[in-house]
Amino acid sequence: NAGVTQTPKFQVLKTGQSMTLQCAQDMNHNSMYWYRQDPGMGLRLIYYSASEGTTDKGEVPNGYNVSRLNKREFSLRLESAAPSQTSVYFCASSEVTGGEETQYFGPGTRLLVL
Amino acid sequence: AQTVTQSQPEMSVQEAETVTLSCTYDTSESDYYLFWYKQPPSRQMILVIRQEAYKQQNATENRFSVNFQKAAKSFSLKISDSQLGDAAMYFCAYRADSMEYGNKLVFGAGTILRVKS
Repeated sequence: NAGVTQTPKFQVLKTGQSMTLQCAQDMNHNSMYWYRQDPGMGLRLIYYSASEGTTDKGEVPNGYNVSRLNKREFSLRLESAAPSQTSVYFCASSEVTGGEETQYFGPGTRLLVL
Repeated sequence: AQTVTQSQPEMSVQEAETVTLSCTYDTSESDYYLFWYKQPPSRQMILVIRQEAYKQQNATENRFSVNFQKAAKSFSLKISDSQLGDAAMYFCAYRADSMEYGNKLVFGAGTILRVKS
């Protein structure tokens, strides 16, 4: 089991460029999440998908779009990157089993927008 | 809105000693979950321990234990017999027991733990 995988690991963009961050999980989880981590702050939720075919906004959705392509994959798209989107992005997935739920995180994608 | 506060930006502990990391939270929910995650330099987020709010007994995982005070909305992490490998950023996180919030986690700002040999 690879768990949660993210690509790329690191990316440099110029302001205005677009890109898609990829996330995949092989644990057959229904729920998937995108967070961003900034210095001095905890992770903040950008978007989440409670199940295949559904997506919802989190705390900081502006400037992002997401696609739940299938149960395994949940991508995050920046249409027109801005320096304020320089951050580390984490994807996570989870499943509720017997009332217990744990989110498993990917290794993160470091994004620098110049 | 739920918030999580970690008032200690940085803590230090001597190897083999005990350290306690603080966390407070604010919520109007009665049922929820609390977590401590560890983030080493590799940036991987690793679950350390979890606590269900309806359980009065404090959770324990080997050298890690929590002091959960529901009325005070406090959730501290105690690390006993600290090891060099414990050095990391530690995040406290909250999750409401309600699908209304999509099982999302609300994180504190984190505490950097340094372990001295």
